[in-house]
Amino acid sequence: AQTVTQSQPEMSVQEAETVTLSCTYDTSENNYYLFWYKQPPSRQMILVIRQEAYKQQNATENRFSVNFQKAAKSFSLKISDSQLGDTAMYFCAFMKHGTASKLTFGTGTRLQVTL
Amino acid sequence: GAVVSQHPSRVICKSGTSVKIECRSLDFQATTMFWYRQFPKQSLMLMATSNEGSKATYEQGVEKDKFLINHASLTLSTLTVTSAHPEDSSFYICSALTADYGYTFGSGTRLTVV
Repeated sequence: AQTVTQSQPEMSVQEAETVTLSCTYDTSENNYYLFWYKQPPSRQMILVIRQEAYKQQNATENRFSVNFQKAAKSFSLKISDSQLGDTAMYFCAFMKHGTASKLTFGTGTRLQVTL
Repeated sequence: GAVVSQHPSRVICKSGTSVKIECRSLDFQATTMFWYRQFPKQSLMLMATSNEGSKATYEQGVEKDKFLINHASLTLSTLTVTSAHPEDSSFYICSALTADYGYTFGSGTRLTVV
């Protein structure tokens, strides 16, 4: 079974600064996907970024980038130029490769962006 | 992009009654739908996986008779909480797996049982 661990329950960052959210996972799979989801106060789950395990290059989406270390089973999210709208719960998630595979979520990190 | 419409967004029901939550895929066919439960300030817990035209697969510890899942078409999956009790109060979220967009989530349903 897969496990996803987010060791930072809460984080705070000032507007325009950079913050990194940590995520580690445990799996015996070789082919899998990793995700970061954002859940703002509306509670709508929004995909932030996705990484395929077979790709060595770290995924980036505008101000969001990941540091994927497959050997260390680490998948951190860096948010640059933080904005007030980035305030949300952030969940790291794992999905093994295959049809209709389920997501395994971490416990989440609550990020507060302050003025 | 792929959109999943979930209704109702909020529902209050009396203890002992049943409540149905619907999730519709609006612009794609959802062969598989996942149902999650989320307690306040906690993560999403997978309850069950539904596949169109077949019985749902429930996670360990989830009561099949209490949480009835129906996935009768490629665009509609429903979760019925039967004989609801206050401890069933929670936030329920559906999610569909799409070939192009990965996972798409509904907007969630806040169930309060009084």
